Amino acid sequence: QQQVKQSPQSLIVQKGGISIINCAYENTAFDYFPWYQQFPGKGPALLIAIRPDVSEKKEGRFTISFNKSAKQFSLHIMDSQPGDSATYFCAAKTGGYQKVTFGTGTKLQVIP
Amino acid sequence: DVKVTQSSRYLVKRTGEKVFLECVQDMDHENMFWYRQDPGLGLRLIYFSYDVKMKEKGDIPEGYSVSREKKERFSLILESASTNQTSMYLCASTSGAGGRDTQYFGPGTRLTVL
Repeated sequence: QQQVKQSPQSLIVQKGGISIINCAYENTAFDYFPWYQQFPGKGPALLIAIRPDVSEKKEGRFTISFNKSAKQFSLHIMDSQPGDSATYFCAAKTGGYQKVTFGTGTKLQVIP
Repeated sequence: DVKVTQSSRYLVKRTGEKVFLECVQDMDHENMFWYRQDPGLGLRLIYFSYDVKMKEKGDIPEGYSVSREKKERFSLILESASTNQTSMYLCASTSGAGGRDTQYFGPGTRLTVL
């Protein structure tokens, strides 16, 4: 079964700090790696995504780092804010196939 | 904006009851999905549909069935609810236009089976 392993399960970061969430995958056919953010009481929403031909993608305070040889990717949240407190899911997908494989989620709490 | 709505936010049912969860999307999306979300297990795909009347099993289809009679509506059916089906159920849709299209999620239905 295709898997995406995500860690840590929970994370507490002080305001202004860097939050780092890591994911690893096995299936080398994956060619699209999105991250989803879920606030309490809401469904997940796309935050940022990367393709494997790029080693890093940055959008504001959010950066994905991608290591193709290690089959790992991570989300960095710079200058973390209390409003970033949410559950984050990494995911992976094979192009042309609609099924998305999600990680197990990381509950981030940013404390003032 | 894409909108995915789910019929109920909270639902309480008894063991053995037949349960219907409804999902509607308003963006003419080809693909629709049902997931369940459990702490520590993430989002697990139950079923998805890539066209009207077409469906494909996901990773955990046992105990569930689906129906897609119209493009905008995708229903999840628990034929005989059991306590281990207590969970958050999320519906999603995608356009299917390309390999990197976004999954748009509804707000979820929290189902409790007593």
